[in-house]
Amino acid sequence: GQNIDQPTEMTATEGAIVQINCTYQTSGFNGLFWYQQHAGEAPTFLSYNVLDGLEEKGRFSSFLSRSKGYSYLLLKELQMKDSASYLCAVEDSNYQLIWGAGTKLIIKP
Amino acid sequence: TAGITQAPTSQILAAGRSMTLRCTQDMRHNAMYWYRQDLGLGLRLIHYSNTAGTTGKGEVPDGYSVSRANTDDFPLTLASAVPSQTSVYFCASSVETGRSDTQYFGPGTRLTVL
Repeated sequence: GQNIDQPTEMTATEGAIVQINCTYQTSGFNGLFWYQQHAGEAPTFLSYNVLDGLEEKGRFSSFLSRSKGYSYLLLKELQMKDSASYLCAVEDSNYQLIWGAGTKLIIKP
Repeated sequence: TAGITQAPTSQILAAGRSMTLRCTQDMRHNAMYWYRQDLGLGLRLIHYSNTAGTTGKGEVPDGYSVSRANTDDFPLTLASAVPSQTSVYFCASSVETGRSDTQYFGPGTRLTVL
């Protein structure tokens, strides 16, 4: 079967750095997405990786290792507004997204 | 631009009743999707449409139907609602399917079936 694993919840301090991990087992691989979802709102796109390595976009970076079935999202200089759920999604061989349950990130002052 | 709109925002529905959730996008995207989101689970695809006039089944299609008469609208119908269909429903769209395009989401409809 297809499976995406992420930690359920993480806590970090304002100004710090946090790494959210995602491991996956899917039928084929056409890319991995990270989305942010604030409570009661829609998911919004953060990043996309299809090749191994690190993609940096401002305070957010995303890493992919296809051989290990592993990705992480790195958030630097955490701000209170970063409190949200972070969703990992893998695009399978049919280009359909398989979603993880999300990681709820709590930022403390 | 509005992007994707959904209606209603929330609804309480008696079991056995029918309901249509509306979704409209103004981005001229070819592909549209319906997901449900339940606590502790990832988003699950209900139905999708690659282009106007075509639809396909996702991971959890039972109890739901869709139509795609034009590019902009993609309504989701529950013919006879059951309590297990209580969920938050998100409509999404992307430029195309089959090329890893970003999906853009509507604000969601929170549905409670009693």
